[in-house]
Amino acid sequence: DAKTTQPTSMDCAEGRAANLPCNHSTISGNEYVYWYRQIHSQGPQYIIHGLKNNETNEMASLIITEDRKSSTLILPHATLRDTAVYYCIVMGSKLTFGKGITLSVRP
Amino acid sequence: EAGVAQSPRYKIIEKRQSVAFWCNPISGHATLYWYQQILGQGPKLLIQFQNNGVVDDSQLPKDRFSAERLKGVDSTLKIQPAKLEDSAVYLCASSPRGTGYQETQYFGPGTRLLVL
Repeated sequence: DAKTTQPTSMDCAEGRAANLPCNHSTISGNEYVYWYRQIHSQGPQYIIHGLKNNETNEMASLIITEDRKSSTLILPHATLRDTAVYYCIVMGSKLTFGKGITLSVRP
Repeated sequence: EAGVAQSPRYKIIEKRQSVAFWCNPISGHATLYWYQQILGQGPKLLIQFQNNGVVDDSQLPKDRFSAERLKGVDSTLKIQPAKLEDSAVYLCASSPRGTGYQETQYFGPGTRLLVL
């Protein structure tokens, strides 16, 4: 399964968009990009996934570059409850979690 | 739709004792996963079941860890005897089909184990 690279942490102001980057330069053609998040003391929560096209749901948008080597998760209007660790995962045969990026939303 | 249920939520034991965790997946989900999450790290897959058969247990420390899913529904994970380094959160997840499919896994709240 392809490996992903994420910054260790970032912050954003409440109400602003949070753009979380992820590099996955060794992704294969049939591997999906998945995003999960984990709020303190909870299990991971599925956010969104995509293969080639950009995707949007009620939680977030996923922008995947044309060469599929990187992607960005966008939380359009971040709230304090969005403070969490966000995992970008390239899913081949299994979910392999890295350390993720810690997003801190400040008031 | 009810989510993945796990119990207990917290457990404190002394080293060399045994402990068991229980998981009830989302109704109808064929595949069940157990993950171990050590503080500061992402979850690591321990074992994957499809129905009542083991698909992947390559990361399970089989000298002390065991897991079963006898009727293809709920599952138990046991540690016997526990070591200090087993202190972690044990997460259960399920997915509709599993093996051979890239599909979303849904996680339970986890069981936080502290070994003293």
